[in-house]
Amino acid sequence: GAVVSQHPSRVICKSGTSVKIECRSLDFQATTMFWYRQFPKQSLMLMATSNEGSKATYEQGVEKDKFLINHASLTLSTLTVTSAHPEDSSFYICSARGVGPQHFGDGTRLSIL
Amino acid sequence: AQKITQTQPGMFVQEKEAVTLDCTYDTSDPSYGLFWYKQPSSGEMIFLIYQGSYDQQNATEGRYSLNFQKARKSANLVISASQLGDSAMYFCAMKVQGGSEKLVFGKGTKLTVNP
Repeated sequence: GAVVSQHPSRVICKSGTSVKIECRSLDFQATTMFWYRQFPKQSLMLMATSNEGSKATYEQGVEKDKFLINHASLTLSTLTVTSAHPEDSSFYICSARGVGPQHFGDGTRLSIL
Repeated sequence: AQKITQTQPGMFVQEKEAVTLDCTYDTSDPSYGLFWYKQPSSGEMIFLIYQGSYDQQNATEGRYSLNFQKARKSANLVISASQLGDSAMYFCAMKVQGGSEKLVFGKGTKLTVNP
């Protein structure tokens, strides 16, 4: 089946650091990828829709300058959390859609000290 | 606006028994898709089953079946012969056709299978 790889799986860094998370579709081309954020014991909240070759579409309340999304190819989207602060600590998970349902990466646990 | 409601924060089931996880949805669009995902404690989201709004029959995938009642706007997940490995969070989600096809998730149900 379709495989989505997300890297890194865990990041611990100091406040003020920028962190880049990669999302790759390994065996299919994904013109659209999605980035979600999940706080402990809560549901997934869509942050943005990443479109290959064009600007990402952000959900209401998500800061575009804080969460930079780049979808440079049909198999790779990146999310950069710029100047991360403790309140940005969360579980970030991407998904990609080829033919059929969205398939998710394994997620990234981001901890900002 | 689209909305998914899962009213059961937690459910318990005995191993080998069947369990039903509830999901109701709200949308004004005639064309939509409903999904169930499983999220173990490790965090990954595992696709379980899909039901399209125009599908005539209830979806089934192995031990998973979806009890789709369109008039009631419900899409309950039935897990038969529960196994200890079924213990996880379960999320119901809806996709509206057209546009970006983004998913809207419910709050989830934590299923615990007891030996």
